[in-house]
Amino acid sequence: NAGVTQTPKFRILKIGQSMTLQCTQDMNHNYMYWYRQDPGMGLKLIYYSVGAGITDKGEVPNGYNVSRSTTEDFPLRLELAAPSQTSVYFCASARQGQDSNQPQHFGDGTRLSIL
Amino acid sequence: AQKVTQAQTEISVVEKEDVTLDCVYETRDTTYYLFWYKQPPSGELVFLIRRNSFDEQNEISGRYSWNFQKSTSSFNFTITASQVVDSAVYFCALSERNSGYSTLTFGKGTMLLVSP
Repeated sequence: NAGVTQTPKFRILKIGQSMTLQCTQDMNHNYMYWYRQDPGMGLKLIYYSVGAGITDKGEVPNGYNVSRSTTEDFPLRLELAAPSQTSVYFCASARQGQDSNQPQHFGDGTRLSIL
Repeated sequence: AQKVTQAQTEISVVEKEDVTLDCVYETRDTTYYLFWYKQPPSGELVFLIRRNSFDEQNEISGRYSWNFQKSTSSFNFTITASQVVDSAVYFCALSERNSGYSTLTFGKGTMLLVSP
């Protein structure tokens, strides 16, 4: 059981380039999330999705886009990379009911540097 | 808005010492959940515990214990007889329902360094 898989693990981009961070989960979870982690700042929510076709903004969505065409996949798109987007990105998933708050399962992260 | 405060940025202890990591939260929700996650030097995030707002019983799991006090809005984490392998960043997190959907707000984390 692979859980949450993120690719790539590391990437260096030039300012203005675009890229997609991939995230896939094999647990049939309805919820998926993208976070960024900056040193000493904890994790901040970028976007989340409650099911295929449904996405919503988190705390820090500017400069990012997401889509959720399938239950399994939740890619994060950076259109015009900026140095401020240098961070470690985590994808997570969870099975949530109407009143439940199940623990989120995290991928191993993608370390992204914008130079 | 909800907020999670982990006032201790970094704690250093010697092996076998007991250590408590503090977590204070703010919320207007009457129903909420609290979590602790561990992030070892390898970088992955490991779930440790979940507690809902109606369950104020303390919990013990081996050398780990958690003290939830609604009156002081705190959910503290104690490691007894710490070991070098406990060295990690520990995050406290609070669930939030935005328009009925579950999201998490994380504290900034406490880095625990356990030396031999």
